[in-house]
Amino acid sequence: DAEITQSPRHKITETGRQVTLACHQTWNHNNMFWYRQDLGHGLRLIHYSYGVQDTNKGEVSDGYSVSRSNTEDLPLTLESAASSQTSVYFCASSTTSLGADTQYFGPGTRLTVL
Amino acid sequence: DAKTTQPPSMDCAEGRAANLPCNHSTISGNEYVYWYRQIHSQGPQYIIHGLKNNETNEMASLIITEDRKSSTLILPHATLRDTAVYYCIVKSPNAGNMLTFGGGTRLMVKP
Repeated sequence: DAEITQSPRHKITETGRQVTLACHQTWNHNNMFWYRQDLGHGLRLIHYSYGVQDTNKGEVSDGYSVSRSNTEDLPLTLESAASSQTSVYFCASSTTSLGADTQYFGPGTRLTVL
Repeated sequence: DAKTTQPPSMDCAEGRAANLPCNHSTISGNEYVYWYRQIHSQGPQYIIHGLKNNETNEMASLIITEDRKSSTLILPHATLRDTAVYYCIVKSPNAGNMLTFGGGTRLMVKP
């Protein structure tokens, strides 16, 4: 069955370190997204991609970067981790059909920056 | 994209229908109504979407008023596993493919 996976599921790192979170989907979807969710709040969009070599900034992109070298993967990099980036990170993918699209989410990565 | 308003929380008895309202009075003609839910610590899960007709699938029914200014998600026989935060999202297909999540409604299904 097609799926979307994230790794690692839990990560503890130190301030200033570079961290990369992986997202892999086997849906063959063109669209991929990264969100963060802070305790007790809704999801906020970090970056998104509509296809290979395409990346776009979302609402809260400062301190994050993504690259899209193939359809299946959209890794999220924290260039220099800060305590304010402690959060749960969700990856999602979608395709557009009949004018509407549905996003499928991964299980999330819980990141703690000490 | 149009803004949505949902009650912050609701309770429902197990086995009864859960009716979750959403107000989207500024919705435009080409904007779809989507419903997602997020069970504790899991990624959001798509439930259903619609444009102007009522929709039903294996999870829920979506009732959209004739003027499209509000909608109701119906879980016909709520179970304890339906306890989650439910998000109503309005989105135009021309506004890109990202979703904007608001506060949602925290549904508590009680025995």
